[in-house]
Amino acid sequence: QLQLQESGPGLVKPSETLSLTCTVSGGSISSSSYYWGWIRQPPGKGLEWIGSFSYSGTTYYNPSLKSRVTISVDTSKNQFSLRFTSVTAADTAVFFCARRPYNGGFDNWGQGTMVTVSA
Amino acid sequence: SYELTQPPSVSVSPGQTARITCSGDALPKQYSYWYQQKSGQAPVLVIYKDTERPSGIPERFSGSSSGTSVTLTISGVQAEDEADYYCQSADISGSWVFGGGTKLTVL
Repeated sequence: QLQLQESGPGLVKPSETLSLTCTVSGGSISSSSYYWGWIRQPPGKGLEWIGSFSYSGTTYYNPSLKSRVTISVDTSKNQFSLRFTSVTAADTAVFFCARRPYNGGFDNWGQGTMVTVSA
Repeated sequence: SYELTQPPSVSVSPGQTARITCSGDALPKQYSYWYQQKSGQAPVLVIYKDTERPSGIPERFSGSSSGTSVTLTISGVQAEDEADYYCQSADISGSWVFGGGTKLTVL
């Protein structure tokens, strides 16, 4: 059974870089049939797609976040990572990693990890 | 930027039918997806490609599409269906977007 698990620091200082990793088990992120990506949810608010990548190596980013976001992949560890620069308190959120089939919705999600931006 | 618009809240009594709408200009050209999110949990996909239901999702969940709007219908609502519901689709450039979410209250 596919499982995704987010990991990373729960507290980041303003202006610094937030780094998270998603570890995938029970399936390969090298599969040609899926996108893998990140979604965030500020406390009490809605979901926001951050970005995704495909097996072909193409990455896609939310245009409103693109200047601050990088998604990278480590196929040897079956992991992918999120790097989010110049964070502010407005970036405080639960961050989810998720899988999406090419012709489907996000069908598998991690449990989410809460990241607080505060001095 | 592209937006998907949902009503903030919908309330129904148990056994009744709940309908949650989502509107967006690109919906005639892009598939829609619906997620259920219960408090403190990750979202769960309940409808994909406008009308398809993933395995394990009860038959009372259905989706439909008409022009620039899509609708999630929950027939015979149960107390366990109380949750936030989000639509998701893509804009013309292919960037994925979520609606603002609808809180379903079962009275």
